[in-house]
Amino acid sequence: AQSVTQLDSQVPVFEEAPVELRCNYSSSVSVYLFWYVQYPNQGLQLLLKYLSGSTLVKGINGFEAEFNKSQTSFHLRKPSVHISDTAEYFCAVSDINSGYALNFGKGTSLLVTP
Amino acid sequence: KAGVTQTPRYLIKTRGQQVTLSCSPISGHRSVSWYQQTPGQGLQFLFEYFSETQRNKGNFPGRFSGRQFSNSRSEMNVSTLELGDSALYLCASSFDGQSNGYTFGSGTRLTVV
Repeated sequence: AQSVTQLDSQVPVFEEAPVELRCNYSSSVSVYLFWYVQYPNQGLQLLLKYLSGSTLVKGINGFEAEFNKSQTSFHLRKPSVHISDTAEYFCAVSDINSGYALNFGKGTSLLVTP
Repeated sequence: KAGVTQTPRYLIKTRGQQVTLSCSPISGHRSVSWYQQTPGQGLQFLFEYFSETQRNKGNFPGRFSGRQFSNSRSEMNVSTLELGDSALYLCASSFDGQSNGYTFGSGTRLTVV
């Protein structure tokens, strides 16, 4: 069965520092991978997605992620964070076995402080 | 281009009642999915509708149902509400419900008392 693990529930970081949010998945077939961000009292906003091709994916707001098939990981990175990046971040996976429904991790709360 | 619109934003209902939530997808999108978000269980898939047909279903009891109209608008219904149904219900639309990814609405916050 498919699963998604976000290894850190909370990540505190100082403004302008780099950050990495970790995500590992398991699936017996090819997957599509996504990162979403959720600000308080709002829905989910797509940051980036991996469907196929280049393993380095660039998204909005300066975020990028790298698909590593051998390590079944899809970690999210940003070289320099802003206060406004404070939010909840969700990694999600979909595949043909799930009918392409999104299976989400539990989320990582990113807290950026001055 | 208008985004995904969910109404109402907030709802308070009493145990045992039923509730209907509405979702208008992005114009041209034919797939509408519903997700439940709670602090304990996180984000869970309820069901997906494509061209007025339920195409995929998550692991929720039959009290949770939905439908999609010819203009792709979708409604979700929960009957015999329980306290545990209190959650943020998110609607997501997609052109094909597969590789394009999903655009989410702001959600409906349901509180059952």
